[in-house]
Amino acid sequence: AQSVAQPEDQVNVAEGNPLTVKCTYSVSGNPYLFWYVQYPNRGLQFLLKYITGDNLVKGSYGFEAEFNKSQTSFHLKKPSALVSDSALYFCAVRERSNDYKLSFGAGTTVTVRA
Amino acid sequence: SQTIHQWPATLVQPVGSPLSLECTVEGTSNPNLYWYRQAAGRGLQLLFYSVGIGQISSEVPQNLSASRPQDRQFILSSKKLLLSDSGFYLCAWSGTGLNIQYFGAGTRLSVL
Repeated sequence: AQSVAQPEDQVNVAEGNPLTVKCTYSVSGNPYLFWYVQYPNRGLQFLLKYITGDNLVKGSYGFEAEFNKSQTSFHLKKPSALVSDSALYFCAVRERSNDYKLSFGAGTTVTVRA
Repeated sequence: SQTIHQWPATLVQPVGSPLSLECTVEGTSNPNLYWYRQAAGRGLQLLFYSVGIGQISSEVPQNLSASRPQDRQFILSSKKLLLSDSGFYLCAWSGTGLNIQYFGAGTRLSVL
């Protein structure tokens, strides 16, 4: 069975500081990993994905994520946060043998203060 | 480019009334389609998914049903709404291969 854990309900950072949102996963075999962002009362927007290859993945809006197989983690990072990055962030995983179903974490609310 | 439309954006319904939420996708053929529910702005629960016309897989037994009458149309229904059906409903689509899911804007359902 596949699952995702986001250990932090909330992350607060000052604008201009680095931002990290943590994610750990559990799958059988190798995973596909995704990050999504959700603004209030909106759908989820795809940020980035890890499929294979380079462990550091770059995505939209200056975000990147690092895949660490030994720690089963896929933390989302941004070197310099903006107030507009304040949103709800979801990590998701899919086993490669599973064509359709994503498992989402509970989400982490990011607040970037000016 | 592909787009996904969901409507209505908000809906207030009395307990016991029927429900019909619609989702359509443009710019792609034979998409995989999904219905999720998000409670209290947190995690997503997969309700149904469909890999083709008339093919519906249910993930959670409940008061809801789904149908796919056309290739790019996915409908979420209920005959009688319960208070517990309140939430934010999201439709998503994915293509073949990597199957990245792309989401609609969502429907906020309040059952009173």
